[in-house]
Amino acid sequence: EIILTQSPATLSLSPGERATLSCRASQSISTYLAWYQQRPGQAPRLLIYDASNRVTGIPDRFSASGSGTDFTFTISSLEPEDFAVYYCQYISNWRTTFGQGTRLEIK
Amino acid sequence: QVQLVQSGAEMKKPGASVKVSCKASGYAFSAYGMYWVRQAPGQGLEWVGWINAGNGNTEYPQKFQGRVTITRDTSANTAYMELSSLRSADTAVYYCARDSIKPRGGLDFWGRGTLVTVSS
Repeated sequence: EIILTQSPATLSLSPGERATLSCRASQSISTYLAWYQQRPGQAPRLLIYDASNRVTGIPDRFSASGSGTDFTFTISSLEPEDFAVYYCQYISNWRTTFGQGTRLEIK
Repeated sequence: QVQLVQSGAEMKKPGASVKVSCKASGYAFSAYGMYWVRQAPGQGLEWVGWINAGNGNTEYPQKFQGRVTITRDTSANTAYMELSSLRSADTAVYYCARDSIKPRGGLDFWGRGTLVTVSS
């Protein structure tokens, strides 16, 4: 079973700052990784798929990279609406697992 | 536009079963898979199961084997998730989410979620 470990658990930053989130897989998963944003009371929203491809309509301040076991998600300049919880997800052959999430909070 | 409309909140007693529906519109239902994901209060996301809406094939995590059944009705463009032998730890919001047709595409559309509360 693939385990995804996200760090940090909580990240406290101010609007305009750069946010860098990490997701590490317990074994190589190529680029079978997606990133989601979840705001309070809402369903998750897909932002990135195939490790680095931004979903149509997602602002370009969101980016991601990585392959194998180490993945990075970056928000270049935080907007007020970006403060939320972010999850990475491994998905392959109709099975999936999520990281435990990183809470991005306003400092 | 793609929409996934889930059934309303449920309150169940321990040991009972619950069946949640997810009605899809705006796309070819049978051409996509559907995942079910749950989220306990204040917790992260947990995979509950998957169905191929075309042929009905399913996949479940070991944790839920024997307790969860996912089905679909292609004539109604609706997927269903039934969880039996409910316990308090099953209290959660249950989401359906469409499996993107893109390779490694993630879950591109989500329902709003159905709160299932298990309490005596």
